[in-house]
Amino acid sequence: DAMVIQNPRYQVTQFGKPVTLSCSQTLNHNVMYWYQQKSSQAPKLLFHYYDKDFNNEADTPDNFQSRRPNTSFCFLDIRSPGLGDAAMYLCATSSDRYSYNEQFFGPGTRLTVL
Amino acid sequence: GQNIDQPTEMTATEGAIVQINCTYQTSGFNGLFWYQQHAGEAPTFLSYNVLDGLEEKGRFSSFLSRSKGYSYLLLKELQMKDSASYLCAVRAGNRDDKIIFGKGTRLHILP
Repeated sequence: DAMVIQNPRYQVTQFGKPVTLSCSQTLNHNVMYWYQQKSSQAPKLLFHYYDKDFNNEADTPDNFQSRRPNTSFCFLDIRSPGLGDAAMYLCATSSDRYSYNEQFFGPGTRLTVL
Repeated sequence: GQNIDQPTEMTATEGAIVQINCTYQTSGFNGLFWYQQHAGEAPTFLSYNVLDGLEEKGRFSSFLSRSKGYSYLLLKELQMKDSASYLCAVRAGNRDDKIIFGKGTRLHILP
């Protein structure tokens, strides 16, 4: 089945130690998103790619970077994780930036920072 | 600024009907989504409204009034599995690809 896959599902890292979260999709969607969701809060958009066009949200910390080497894969790099970065990170895709279709979400990666 | 408001929690009884409201103030509007999210899981799509009126899909219906900046999600014949958070999200701004989520309404279903 076509889907959005995130690895790992659970990630533990140490304060200040770089970590990379990965997302892949078999939907062949042009748009990929990264959201951060803390407990009992709304998913917060960090950035998104339309194809190779990178779009950063104004309030996304510089500590967060992203890469999209091809249509299928997108990575979230946290250069120096702090305790406040512990959250669920959700990857989502949509077929087109002008599409009114829904976003398809991956299962998320829960990040713990020790 | 962008703001989406929905109640934090609601409780309803199995078999009953519940309405979850959402109000929004956004710069631009290109549609409103409702998502269901079970604890520890990713959101799953329920509905999309871009025109005023009611969209019905099985036990779930969603209503939109653009002039009022208002939507609701109506759940009928509630089942225990409907216990979840329900997220209202708006595609907003000048760019169609930006979706802003509300904090979600946690729905508790009692037997």
